[in-house]
Amino acid sequence: EVQLVESGGGLVQPGGSLRLSCAASGFTFSSYEMNWVRQAPGKGLEWVSYISSSGSTKYYADSVKGRFTISRDNAKKSLYLHMNSLRAEDTAVYYCARLPTVTTMGYWGQGTLVTVSS
Amino acid sequence: DIQLTQSPSSLSASVGDRVTITCRASQGISNYLAWFQQKPGKAPKSLIYAASSLQSGVPSKFSGSGSGTDFTLTISSLQPEDFATYYCQQYNSYPPTFGGGTKVEIK
Repeated sequence: EVQLVESGGGLVQPGGSLRLSCAASGFTFSSYEMNWVRQAPGKGLEWVSYISSSGSTKYYADSVKGRFTISRDNAKKSLYLHMNSLRAEDTAVYYCARLPTVTTMGYWGQGTLVTVSS
Repeated sequence: DIQLTQSPSSLSASVGDRVTITCRASQGISNYLAWFQQKPGKAPKSLIYAASSLQSGVPSKFSGSGSGTDFTLTISSLQPEDFATYYCQQYNSYPPTFGGGTKVEIK
């Protein structure tokens, strides 16, 4: 069974930093591209960042570019999101997601809440 | 970025109804479209990928169709557990984008 389990969320002050983690199991993690997607309270889904299976290619939403860094450790089957210079508008539930492709299904973690507030 | 427009944004339906939700892309995306279900306070759950392929474990009352710019999600006979918000998502090109969601409520 595919499982994605996020951790690391919490309350942080504006300008602060946080690192989110996602532990994967039930599939060959090193073979799949991974993403972070967020959802602000009462809002829709917003893609945040992508990383290729090897980690060599990374993309970011304009709203987080220069502040967030995605990374992965295939040996540990883990995905990370390093978040710096956090703003109130970054407050959201952050989901680790293996988004679907033409031939493979999609899977989501349960999410971790990040609250940016003084 | 590719824009996805879902309609309606909300609907009221009764148990047993057939429900259809549409998703229109601002440019052609072949069949690179997925559908998700989300219940309040829960993570999204994948239903459909590649426009019409059913995710493993998802009941066959859910079906997807379409290609290019116009897509539909159909629930053949609405059950109480199906009341939720449904999103479409394109993965033809980065960034992946999501529709605004369709909230399915009980009539």
